[in-house]
Amino acid sequence: GENVEQHPSTLSVQEGDSAVIKCTYSDSASNYFPWYKQELGKRPQLIIDIRSNVGEKKDQRIAVTLNKTAKHFSLHITETQPEDSAVYFCAAGYNTNAGKSTFGDGTTLTVKP
Amino acid sequence: NAGVTQTPKFQVLKTGQSMTLQCAQDMNHEYMSWYRQDPGMGLRLIHYSVGAGITDQGEVPNGYNVSRSTTEDFPLRLLSAAPSQTSVYFCASSYSSGRRELFFGEGSRLTVL
Repeated sequence: GENVEQHPSTLSVQEGDSAVIKCTYSDSASNYFPWYKQELGKRPQLIIDIRSNVGEKKDQRIAVTLNKTAKHFSLHITETQPEDSAVYFCAAGYNTNAGKSTFGDGTTLTVKP
Repeated sequence: NAGVTQTPKFQVLKTGQSMTLQCAQDMNHEYMSWYRQDPGMGLRLIHYSVGAGITDQGEVPNGYNVSRSTTEDFPLRLLSAAPSQTSVYFCASSYSSGRRELFFGEGSRLTVL
């Protein structure tokens, strides 16, 4: 089955700095890569996703890059704000069944004011 | 439009007891799934369903049963609770085509003594 590794497990940045979280996956057939944000005590919520036919996707301060050859993808957050503090999860799966995605172990991001 | 509704939010069980976590969605999603979240281990897939009458196992199915008699409901049954099943459980749903975003319920915190 799919194996997703996520690094780092914790990340602390100053407000205004950039944050980068990296994930690798093992199944070359995976073609759907979402990122979820989970605030303390809340449910995970999708912040951005990318399909394997696209190398990069951007949404305001958030961007995701995908390298299919190396089987890794990354989340980039620019101009971080305290409200970006949360746990971020990457996942890998199939476009035909997002409900079967395999998640990474999560990265706890802390943005210091 | 309530989204994904899980009950109960909190439950304490004794070892060997059985119980059912309820999950209902009102978005007419074909896919539904159950995840458990343990500290430092991300979200692990227990069982999933691609439609009424169809279920399949995820990464960690042992000790759990599911059924999907309607599109809206996807209950998770713990047959004989064990302390290792102490966790936060999330139900999620998504469309089978178009947008693949997983919509999560608020979670159910289960403690097995």
